[in-house]
Amino acid sequence: QSVLTQPPSVSAAPGQKVTISCSGSSSNTGNNFVSWYQQLPGTAPKLLIYDNEKRPSGIPDRFSGSKSGTSATLDITGLQTGDEADYYCGAWDSSLSAYVFGTGTKVTVL
Amino acid sequence: EMQLVESGGGLVQPGGSLRLSCAASGFTFSGYTMNWVRQAPGKGLEWISSISPYSGPIYYADSVKGRFSISRDNTESSVFLQVNSLRAEDTAVYSCARGRGYFSSGTYNMDVWGTGTTVTVSS
Repeated sequence: QSVLTQPPSVSAAPGQKVTISCSGSSSNTGNNFVSWYQQLPGTAPKLLIYDNEKRPSGIPDRFSGSKSGTSATLDITGLQTGDEADYYCGAWDSSLSAYVFGTGTKVTVL
Repeated sequence: EMQLVESGGGLVQPGGSLRLSCAASGFTFSGYTMNWVRQAPGKGLEWISSISPYSGPIYYADSVKGRFSISRDNTESSVFLQVNSLRAEDTAVYSCARGRGYFSSGTYNMDVWGTGTTVTVSS
């Protein structure tokens, strides 16, 4: 069972912006760094954001992350049809000594 | 090119066992923590286990503790997952992923992923 809560789905028209939230607790998102993963249909997850806001090489700046308190946010601007995917947040949980993923959010481009 | 390739999945009866393997290439395997993550059909990602570069420390999810065992062979650039006492709810695609960062500092992520091997538990 996931300990990080995300909205099941978000949607917007091409070119618009979507925001995905990730809510946790002090033992995970509150005191540890958050990562975001993109899983395109039928493919392996891909690291999108790490350390709350950093982008790996090759990830466009349309994807941005932030964190405040125990909640993290992933913003996708200039939405494209190729962004349709499932998005997961993740963080180390110091109390569980376990890595925890969010419940996942499906992004739909209208 | 960095690559992770899993193998060893299959159809197994409840209570059965399998040994999953993940072969790494394109990076210095012994320098990284390795992880197993699973995804049940139509469900989200579930972290299963992590093993540090020289096999300590090792962590498990509560859902598999006592039934699954992770190990690695740095000479073969491979990580393994021994899965025992399998249940229907263990049916999933099992993927390995390279870890980056440090648990102790709370900065940890998984930056290279394999495509997974499918485990189906059914009678």
